[in-house]
Amino acid sequence: ETGVTQSPTHLIKTRGQQVTLRCSSQSGHNTVSWYQQALGQGPQFIFQYYREEENGRGNFPPRFSGLQFPNYSSELNVNALELDDSALYLCASSPLGYNEQFFGPGTRLTVL
Amino acid sequence: EDQVTQSPEALRLQEGESSSLNCSYTVSGLRGLFWYRQDPGKGPEFLFTLYSAGEEKEKERLKATLTKKESFLHITAPKPEDSATYLCAVQDGEYGNKLVFGAGTILRVKS
Repeated sequence: ETGVTQSPTHLIKTRGQQVTLRCSSQSGHNTVSWYQQALGQGPQFIFQYYREEENGRGNFPPRFSGLQFPNYSSELNVNALELDDSALYLCASSPLGYNEQFFGPGTRLTVL
Repeated sequence: EDQVTQSPEALRLQEGESSSLNCSYTVSGLRGLFWYRQDPGKGPEFLFTLYSAGEEKEKERLKATLTKKESFLHITAPKPEDSATYLCAVQDGEYGNKLVFGAGTILRVKS
């Protein structure tokens, strides 16, 4: 059974640009959540998708948006990048009916 | 608003020196408390879920316990490979499946 995968591993962007991060959920998992983890802090919830619809959102502005596809893969899009968006972005998936979330390795985004 | 506080921020142990990490939480309706291990530059690795006060879970040298206000992660006779950041998170039944994390405890075990 493959785990959660994310791409790319690292990414460098400049302020004002747009970025798309990708996640492939673990087989059989139909809920995907995205988290932002700044250096030295715990992950912060961005949003969750279930059945291709947003199912809960944290305190992040609308320039953070997402998609979930029928095969349960997901994208996180961030527009108008700011320096403070530099962080490790984590994707986590859950099987239906379970509370546990299983994380991918993350994408390290650096905004210059 | 849900809050999770972990202590200490960092802990240095000698190999074999047992200790405990603390996670105190405030939620309106606890749906679950989770412990994760995170190695530098990697995603969190799931360890345990606890649902109700008095519950305990064990895995190798780790044991997690839960009360109504806090959870402890006990590490017995740690080895250098146990060095990592340990994260605690709560899930509030009123807010769907989102996890609210603490800042973590950085554990270093020296041989």
